[in-house]
Amino acid sequence: GDSVTQTEGLVTLTKGLPVMLNCTYQTTYSPFLFWYVQHLNEAPKLLLKSSTDNKRTEHQGFYATLHKSSSSFHLQKSSVQLSDSALYFCAYDSGYNKLTFGKGTVLLVSP
Amino acid sequence: GPKVLQIPSHQIIDMGQMVTLNCDPVSNHLYFYWYKQILGQQMEFLVNFYNGKVMEKSKLFKDQFSVERPDGSYFTLKIQPTALEDSAVYFCASSLGGGRTETLYFGSGTRLTVL
Repeated sequence: GDSVTQTEGLVTLTKGLPVMLNCTYQTTYSPFLFWYVQHLNEAPKLLLKSSTDNKRTEHQGFYATLHKSSSSFHLQKSSVQLSDSALYFCAYDSGYNKLTFGKGTVLLVSP
Repeated sequence: GPKVLQIPSHQIIDMGQMVTLNCDPVSNHLYFYWYKQILGQQMEFLVNFYNGKVMEKSKLFKDQFSVERPDGSYFTLKIQPTALEDSAVYFCASSLGGGRTETLYFGSGTRLTVL
């Protein structure tokens, strides 16, 4: 069935280092992929979205490229900041905003 | 940016009781959603709602669940009666349109504990 798999658990990094959070998906639909970010005690917020194959999409220093050939939509940033510490969810839309989410990855950035 | 408010943030009830979770969506939005997240697991789609009707529901949306938005006010999720497995964080979301390019705006969730 349809599913999303992402880097699980906790990723810890020192400020200024690059990060890549993996996301792969399985779906029978034309894929529309999202990254959501949730800071502590806040609502999940849309970070990035894409349905275009091999086109990089960027927002707030984060970027991701949908690769249909490998069913991937990895999230990257070249230099993480303390404020990037949060829970990150990869998701795809199978229609009418019925999102299928991954389990989430906690990114913890230390000074 | 636009905000979705969920009230209360935590609720504790005894098994078998009824509970209503309230959501104040973004004011001009037309599509509404509930998602459920059990501790340690991913957020899962429960139901979407438009023009006074449920458009689609998942297998998690049991017969004991119902949703409504009376008179354009709060969008509510009612569980009657509750069961232990209903313990989870429930996220409300809204969007202006229903297409795949629309952005969903989520609330911070209501943590429901059923004892």
